[in-house]
Amino acid sequence: KQEVTQIPAALSVPEGENLVLNCSFTDSAIYNLQWFRQDPGKGLTSLLLIQSSQREQTSGRLNASLDKSSGRSTLYIAASQPGDSATYLCAVLPGGYNKLIFGAGTRLAVHP
Amino acid sequence: DVKVTQSSRYLVKRTGEKVFLECVQDMDHENMFWYRQDPGLGLRLIYFSYDVKMKEKGDIPEGYSVSREKKERFSLILESASTNQTSMYLCASTLGSYEQYFGPGTRLTVT
Repeated sequence: KQEVTQIPAALSVPEGENLVLNCSFTDSAIYNLQWFRQDPGKGLTSLLLIQSSQREQTSGRLNASLDKSSGRSTLYIAASQPGDSATYLCAVLPGGYNKLIFGAGTRLAVHP
Repeated sequence: DVKVTQSSRYLVKRTGEKVFLECVQDMDHENMFWYRQDPGLGLRLIYFSYDVKMKEKGDIPEGYSVSREKKERFSLILESASTNQTSMYLCASTLGSYEQYFGPGTRLTVT
């Protein structure tokens, strides 16, 4: 059974730091992996989608990498800002299924 | 841009009431999903639909039903609301196995 783990559960950093959020999954047979952002009391906003054949995706200050063989993905946020404060979730789409499996999220606080 | 809208942001209902939560997407997506999100339990899939009039149970379907009469609209029904159904409800849609898009959520309180 596919399980997704995100470490750390919470992170507090000063503004301007580069940071890495980690996501690991137990079964490497995935179709894709998606990173989301969730602000308190709101829905999820899709940040990046990485197909299983890809190694990384970039959008602005965000870079997500995927190492399927080791069951890991990282989300790199460059030059963090207070507006980046949110919960970040990763989710995998197992091969042959159309239901995402979510991690519990990393709660990020960036303070001025 | 894909848009997924939900009928209410906040809803307060009484125990035993029948509750309808509606979700509409504007991108002709075939797959639509209903999740609930609770502190400490994360996102849990209630039901999903891969076509009009088609539905499949997710991980926690008990106490819920769904309806998909038109491709763009997916409704979640609580036949007789109970206090343990107080939660944040999130709708999502996707085209095939591609990016999943979420609505803004409905915070339901059952008293």
